[in-house]
Order: sequence, then C-alpha cells, then structure tokens
Amino acid sequence: GEDVEQSLFLSVREGDSSVINCTYTDSSSTYLYWYKQEPGAGLQLLTYIFSNMDMKQDQRLTVLLNKKDKHLSLRIADTQTGDSAIYFCAETLSSGTYKYIFGTGTRLKVLA
Amino acid sequence: SAVISQKPSRDICQRGTSLTIQCQVDSQVTMMFWYRQQPGQSLTLIATANQGSEATYESGFVIDKFPISRPNLTFSTLTVSNMSPEDSSIYLCSVLPGASASYEQYFGPGTRLTVT
Repeated sequence: GEDVEQSLFLSVREGDSSVINCTYTDSSSTYLYWYKQEPGAGLQLLTYIFSNMDMKQDQRLTVLLNKKDKHLSLRIADTQTGDSAIYFCAETLSSGTYKYIFGTGTRLKVLA
Repeated sequence: SAVISQKPSRDICQRGTSLTIQCQVDSQVTMMFWYRQQPGQSLTLIATANQGSEATYESGFVIDKFPISRPNLTFSTLTVSNMSPEDSSIYLCSVLPGASASYEQYFGPGTRLTVT
C-alpha cells in the first residue's frame, strides 16, 4: 500500500524542540520530503532526504530516516511562533512517475 | 527552485458553473501537477499535466470533470466543471523543474474555491 501516516496535532512551547513523525508503508520510496503549509498559503518545501541516508541537518531542521521501520521524523530546534503551521511529509516512489504520496499532515502549535 | 503564480487566488461559485484556474511558472519546467486539498485534509493528486498531449489522471478523477491544458512549458490550466459543493477545496499546482535529481516539487499558492 501507499499510506503515509502522521499524528494530527503537536503543541510545544517557544524555544523547545519539536519532533514531527511520519510513517510510510512503501519500501521502494526513493526520496522523502517535508513541506510546511501556513494558513491560507501553498506548500513550502523545507527539506528532503534520499532513502539511503540516515540523517540530514539543515540549520534548525534535522531529518532522521529509519528505513527498516519506515519511519521519518523532522526535528525543529528552538521552535518559534512562526513555525506554527501544518507539516506534511511526502514520498516519491521509484516507479519513475515522480508522483508524491502525501502524509495526513501534523498541525504544530507553538505556545509563547 | 521556481516561482509559481495561480489565478484566481480564491473564488465563490454557484453550483452547475465551471471555473478555470491558471498556473504560471517563471521558467520552463519538465512536469506540472494539479492537486486538490479538501478542507482539513491532505493533498490528493488530480493529474499530471503533459505538454502537448492529454493529461494523465489519477484514479477517481476524469477529464470531463477536470479538463486540463498545458500549451507550453510554463503554463497550465485546470477547469472544475459543473461544480457542486463537494468541489469546495483548495486547488494547487506544482512543478518539477527537471534540473534536480531529487525530484522536489514546488507549489503555487493555491486557489481556494467555495461552491454554493
């Protein structure tokens, strides 16, 4: 199957770290992505990771990939109120169609 | 990356009418896609817009309901035909520039459609 699951909500205090989790079922995924959607806006690509990598760090963002467990996470360090948004993980398959399968989305709320 | 614009940004339409949404990219791109995001939901791929040929539709979406054009490498339209309230959604176009091997897609700001 091609289901990508995320927890619906996450609430953290400003300055803390946020960890958003994603599980997928298709082991043929080649790239996995994290997108951010602010209210009333489109999707902003935050980062991505190739399936043969375990970790990728980009400033405040750290992506961890456990391919054995088909688990992907996004850690946001020093979370700010501007990080409040919906976060989607997405995978692209190796079939060459470039199609994305999106996760269900996690709404992150940052409390001041 | 690519800069993508969509028109209109939002619209309120009556049932039974049709709306055409435009997607313009600031550079030539390999692939363009259309997604639907129903209220409070994730994104669902409607179709891949193919330049110079018919779009490739996903299961559950048909050309009569969602005709798509892509006359060149920077522009595409999606029409939502014979609308009903169930069509109320955000419609987003995305592009795959083609220069990257990591297949990242870039999204337009979306068109928020309300059907009354």
